[in-house]
Amino acid sequence: GIQVEQSPPDLILQEGANSTLRCNFSDSVNNLQWFHQNPWGQLINLFYIPSGTKQNGRLSATTVATERYSLLYISSSQTTDSGVYFCAVESSGGSNYKLTFGKGTLLTVNP
Amino acid sequence: EPEVTQTPSHQVTQMGQEVILRCVPISNHLYFYWYRQILGQKVEFLVSFYNNEISEKSEIFDDQFSVERPDGSNFTLKIRSTKLEDSAMYFCATAQGLILAFFGQGTRLTVV
Repeated sequence: GIQVEQSPPDLILQEGANSTLRCNFSDSVNNLQWFHQNPWGQLINLFYIPSGTKQNGRLSATTVATERYSLLYISSSQTTDSGVYFCAVESSGGSNYKLTFGKGTLLTVNP
Repeated sequence: EPEVTQTPSHQVTQMGQEVILRCVPISNHLYFYWYRQILGQKVEFLVSFYNNEISEKSEIFDDQFSVERPDGSNFTLKIRSTKLEDSAMYFCATAQGLILAFFGQGTRLTVV
């Protein structure tokens, strides 16, 4: 099946810093979503982004499907951004929107 | 914003007992999923459900697991005889079409 690799696995920032999280995938995809898992375990939708670029406030994401990667940018980070960020993809040819998740990036933002 | 609701938020059960995890999907969604996340690990697909039947299931989803929509609204995951290794966060997800799944807040299952 499709492999999803996220980097870095861990990231520690000072409040106000910017960061880039990367998601590489091993095969072509129909769909891609970024999630933030907060300290209570909830998975929050950030972006649905199978291709192109989207922005939502301090967060933006870019997916280059032809090169099989996606990037999540966090600018002016805040302590509330802490948590695990997951990339999840559905490989092309799928018929059920079955998502394969990466292992995540654990982000810690210190005050 | 509409949301997927899961109950209970946390369940503790004894090994060998049956548990039922419940999910209320977003009202116009047609595709339903269960995922699980063992503590500290990645989220894994269990099963997808469409048109009142399972459309795909993973190797994890063995005979101990079952899903149904008993009343046309709730979507449930039953584990017949729980094992210690079933301890995990279980997420329900729903989608209107084959894009953009919305996840519930999860049920933390602890088997003792």
